[in-house]
Formats: sequence, C-alpha cells, structure tokens
Amino acid sequence: DAGVTQSPTHLIKTRGQQVTLRCSPKSGHDTVSWYQQALGQGPQFIFQYYEEEERQRGNFPDRFSGHQFPNYSSELNVNALLLGDSALYLCASSSIYSGGAFSNEQFFGPGTRLTVL
Amino acid sequence: GQSLEQPSEVTAVEGAIVQINCTYQTSGFYGLSWYQQHDGGAPTFLSYNGLDGLEETGRFSSFLSRSDSYGYLLLQELQMKDSASYFCAVRGDAGAGSYQLTFGKGTKLSVIP
Repeated sequence: DAGVTQSPTHLIKTRGQQVTLRCSPKSGHDTVSWYQQALGQGPQFIFQYYEEEERQRGNFPDRFSGHQFPNYSSELNVNALLLGDSALYLCASSSIYSGGAFSNEQFFGPGTRLTVL
Repeated sequence: GQSLEQPSEVTAVEGAIVQINCTYQTSGFYGLSWYQQHDGGAPTFLSYNGLDGLEETGRFSSFLSRSDSYGYLLLQELQMKDSASYFCAVRGDAGAGSYQLTFGKGTKLSVIP
C-alpha cells in the first residue's frame, strides 16, 4: 500500500517565478492538507482540500493556491516566489473513515524542498 | 487563534525516561496530538488525546489535562533511534477552524549513550 507521495523532491527557483508541487494521498484517503515547514520550525497549515474544494485556509497570501482532482491527488501552486518561500512543503492525507476531517492522524509525504534564489 | 509551547531541546540517556511537555492556548479544543520527525524525514503520527488522561502505545505514552491546557509525551526505555524532533499539535473547534492542525515549534530530543 503506497503511502503519500510528493513530487518533485527538490526544486530550485528564482524570485518571481511560479512553482507547482504535486501530491498523491495514501490509498483510500479523500482529504489533503498542505503545510510549509521552515528550518527548525513546526509545519504551518496552508490549506486543506476535500471533495475538490478548498475547505479551510491558513494564514497564507493568495499567491498560494491549490487544486484537488477527482482522484484526490492535489497540487500546490505558488506564484511570484519570494526568498522567504524557501522551505519544506509537506502534503498530508487523511480519511473520513478514520475520523475524517476531525481525525488528528494525518499521513505525511516526504515533502518537496523548495529553494528560492 | 491557537498557540503551543514546548521546550526547544531535551537531552536524555539511552534506556532512560524523558517527558516532553506542551501547553496550548486555543479558542476551542478538539484534541492534542504528537508527531515525530527525524531529520530529513516526514512527520509521523504518534498519539492522540481527545479526553483527559493517559494513552499508552508501547514505549510511548501521552497525557492530557484539558483544564490545565497541558499535555505531555512520555518516552520510556529510550533508544538511539528516538533521537528526533517531537511536535505537539492541536485542532480547534468548528468556530475557530476545526480543520486546521496547528503545530508547536518542536522539541529536539537527543539520546546519548
């Protein structure tokens, strides 16, 4: 049973560029959350997708957007990249059948390390 | 909003017991969780406390006191592989954002021989 997968593993961009990160949830999971983790910090919630809609958003600007596809996979898009966007971007999935949106158990992918120069 | 406080670093000897505390402030409360993250790895779920008391899973236990807005993670029979960062995380109520999982800044545990 494949866990959460993310691509790419590493990415280097320059300021002002745009980036798309991809996530495939754990088999059977319908909810995808995205997090940003700066070095030495805890993950910070960006947004959560369920039934192809953004259900909740954290304190991130509109430059951060996302999408969920019918197969539950998801994309995170970041426009007009800033140096401060350099971080590890984590995708986490969960399932309504294991507590749904209210389950605190989320399965994380290995992340995408984004470096903005 | 929600905020969590936990120690930044803890060092303990192999075979010993260590406790990592977490205090939180949230406008609502829907459970306290703990995650482990090894350097370069993904966070992995360790435990969840929705009600007061102790939950035990093998060498790891987690405790919650909702009246004190306090919890802790207890690691027994420490092994070198337990060296990692440990995060507490809370989810608020529907009014405050029940879908958002808020993490603490993490406690880096170093296990020494």
